[in-house]
Amino acid sequence: KNQVEQSPQSLIILEGKNCTLQCNYTVSPFSNLRWYKQDTGRGPVSLTIMTFSENTKSNGRYTATLDADTKQSSLHITASQLSDSASYICVVSAGDYKLSFGAGTTVTVRA
Amino acid sequence: DTEVTQTPKHLVMGMTNKKSLKCEQHMGHRAMYWYKQKAKKPPELMFVYSYEKLSINESVPSRFSPECPNSSLLNLHLHALQPEDSALYLCASSEDLQGIAEAFFGQGTRLTVV
Repeated sequence: KNQVEQSPQSLIILEGKNCTLQCNYTVSPFSNLRWYKQDTGRGPVSLTIMTFSENTKSNGRYTATLDADTKQSSLHITASQLSDSASYICVVSAGDYKLSFGAGTTVTVRA
Repeated sequence: DTEVTQTPKHLVMGMTNKKSLKCEQHMGHRAMYWYKQKAKKPPELMFVYSYEKLSINESVPSRFSPECPNSSLLNLHLHALQPEDSALYLCASSEDLQGIAEAFFGQGTRLTVV
């Protein structure tokens, strides 16, 4: 069964600090892995998308890494801002129409 | 334009009402999707349209009826819903049905069934 597990479930960080979110997956075959940011009650917004051959990809203060051998990915947020408070969802595609979603990590940034 | 636009943003309907959710994209994407998302849960796939034809129905109850009038529009017709159908309904689109291309999501319609 294709599964995507994220950790931690939630975390609280102080403004200006860094944090790292984890994603482990068992999706097979593997096509690509995406990280989305979702504000409460809004649709997910894409942060990064990585294929098998990509190890790291950045989007501003967000940096995603991928280890396709161990089936692990991380999302690092640098110099957090209050606007970073959201749910971060790891999504893995097997190359067909169906995306496998993680349960998300809720990040709260406090002043 | 990389937007998927959903209307309305919020909808409150009674169990005997008939309403429709609308989704529009002008990126030339040929695959469009409806998802249902309950609070603090990941989105669940409901329907997939490819080249304006229904490709996938994830065993969704018939009180939800999708329609794709043209390549830019996707509707979800609602009838005789239950309170447990209250959720955030998300529309998404991608270049094609293959899960290689990036999927763009709309902002969602927050549906409350009373």
